[in-house]
Amino acid sequence: DTEVTQTPKHLVMGMTNKKSLKCEQHMGHRAMYWYKQKAKKPPELMFVYSYEKLSINESVPSRFSPECPNSSLLNLHLHALQPEDSALYLCASSPRGGPAWTEAFFGQGTRLTVV
Amino acid sequence: GEDVEQSLFLSVREGDSSVINCTYTDSSSTYLYWYKQEPGAGLQLLTYIFSNMDMKQDQRLTVLLNKKDKHLSLRIADTQTGDSAIYFCAESRTGANNLFFGTGTRLTVIP
Repeated sequence: DTEVTQTPKHLVMGMTNKKSLKCEQHMGHRAMYWYKQKAKKPPELMFVYSYEKLSINESVPSRFSPECPNSSLLNLHLHALQPEDSALYLCASSPRGGPAWTEAFFGQGTRLTVV
Repeated sequence: GEDVEQSLFLSVREGDSSVINCTYTDSSSTYLYWYKQEPGAGLQLLTYIFSNMDMKQDQRLTVLLNKKDKHLSLRIADTQTGDSAIYFCAESRTGANNLFFGTGTRLTVIP
């Protein structure tokens, strides 16, 4: 099983809403990631969790709040987003973080539209 | 991405070979990857190569790495219409807990 599962696949939310994106993997990977991808651009790193601890926050605004409840789950809590936050949000996992990457697997993404 | 470059577009005829190129500048690369992204979908890991290898073959895919020139290529043999997608190269670097992506190449396969 090399699957990273993201839910929901599509999400439309208003600027005053609170919503959460979910990501799950059962490969025993200990590093999980949130990326943001705008149209026709490569993914941009937002957060890295390594062994359930937040290890990288790429200066992401506080309206995005990540959470890693256990080694298989990663959430991204959204609050008071702006229309420019509309994008494809991708979750990824790898066996371990740090300098010795091997495979990194991505989910299918959540297409977020902020209205 | 940070200094990872790709040409933006490539068109090939069905049945021909496709070669997608990528150049990078950082000499601390550990692994180099090729991902495929179909419209509206996530990234599918196609293959990856360790930075001390020159070549890796996996069915229709051949990856060539020229570390001296910092040049990576992906050759797709017998290209099919289902291969139409955006292809991203990416690298991991010593000491960095991230993937550095190229700009992506949109491959269009003409029937």
